[in-house]
Amino acid sequence: GQNIDQPTEMTATEGAIVQINCTYQTSGFNGLFWYQQHAGEAPTFLSYNVLDGLEEKGRFSSFLSRSKGYSYLLLKELQMKDSASYLCAVGDSNYQLIWGAGTKLIIKP
Amino acid sequence: IAGITQAPTSQILAAGRRMTLRCTQDMRHNAMYWYRQDLGLGLRLIHYSNTAGTTGKGEVPDGYSVSRANTDDFPLTLASAVPSQTSVYFCASSDNGESTEAFFGQGTRLTVV
Repeated sequence: GQNIDQPTEMTATEGAIVQINCTYQTSGFNGLFWYQQHAGEAPTFLSYNVLDGLEEKGRFSSFLSRSKGYSYLLLKELQMKDSASYLCAVGDSNYQLIWGAGTKLIIKP
Repeated sequence: IAGITQAPTSQILAAGRRMTLRCTQDMRHNAMYWYRQDLGLGLRLIHYSNTAGTTGKGEVPDGYSVSRANTDDFPLTLASAVPSQTSVYFCASSDNGESTEAFFGQGTRLTVV
């Protein structure tokens, strides 16, 4: 079966760094996505990795290791507005997205 | 309209009633999707359409139907609602291609009683 695993909840301090991990087992692989979802709102796109390595975009970076079925999202210089759920999703062999349940990130002052 | 719009934003529906959730996009995206999101679960694909005139079943299609008469609209119909269909429904769209970033509507919160 297809499976995406990520921690249910994490807590971090304003100004710090946090790493959210995602492991996956899917039939085929056509890229890994990270989305941010604030409570009561729609998911919004953060990053896309299709090759191994690190993609950096401002305070956010995403890493992929296809051989390990592993990705992480790194958030630096945390701000209160970063409190949200972070969703990991993998494109399968049919280019359909398989979604993790999301990691709720709580930022404390 | 800018982006992707869903209607209604919320609805309380009696079990057994028929309901259509509307979704419209103005980005000329080929692909459109309907997901449901339940607490503790990831987004689950109900139905999808890769291009106007075609539709396909996702992970949880039972009890739902869709149509794609044109590029912009992708309505989702519940023929006879049941309480287990209580959920938040998201419509999304994307260009076809490898980097299939999806753009989401604001969601419809549906409660079936």
